[in-house]
Amino acid sequence: GQNIDQPTEMTATEGAIVQINCTYQTSGFNGLFWYQQHAGEAPTFLSYNVLDGLEEKGRFSSFLSRSKGYSYLLLKELQMKDSASYLCAAADSNYQLIWGAGTKLIIKP
Amino acid sequence: ETGVTQTPRHLVMGMTNKKSLKCEQHLGHNAMYWYKQSAKKPLELMFVYNFKEQTENNSVPSRFSPECPNSSHLFLHLHTLQPEDSALYLCASSQDIGGAYNEQFFGPGTRLTVL
Repeated sequence: GQNIDQPTEMTATEGAIVQINCTYQTSGFNGLFWYQQHAGEAPTFLSYNVLDGLEEKGRFSSFLSRSKGYSYLLLKELQMKDSASYLCAAADSNYQLIWGAGTKLIIKP
Repeated sequence: ETGVTQTPRHLVMGMTNKKSLKCEQHLGHNAMYWYKQSAKKPLELMFVYNFKEQTENNSVPSRFSPECPNSSHLFLHLHTLQPEDSALYLCASSQDIGGAYNEQFFGPGTRLTVL
């Protein structure tokens, strides 16, 4: 079957760094997406990885290892506004996105 | 503002009612999607349309009926729903289907409550 695993909840301190992990099992693979969803709002796109390695975009970076079926989202210099759920989604052989349940990130002052 | 709008934002309906959810995208995209989001569960893909043609129907009960009259508009017709259908219904669009074109832009959702 197809499955995405990510932690349910994480807590971090303002100004710190946090890494949110995601493992996936899909029928075929056509890339890994990360989305941010604030409470009561729509998910918004953060990153897309299809090749192994690290992609950096400002304070946010995303890493992919296809051989391990593993990705992480790295958030640096955490701000209170980063409190949100972070959704991992893998595209299967039909380009259908398989979604994780999301990681709720709580930022404390 | 993502360029995807949904109406209504909130809907309360009885199990015998018939209602419709509307989605419109102003991005010139070719693919549109309906998702169901329940608390602490993964997004569930319900329907996919590419160039107005339905390409996916993930075993959704027939009480949910989609309609896509053109590439910019998507409807979800609801009838004889059950209380367990209460959830946030999200519409999304993408430029195309495949690779980075899968980047999906979401509407704000319709919070549906079935009594």
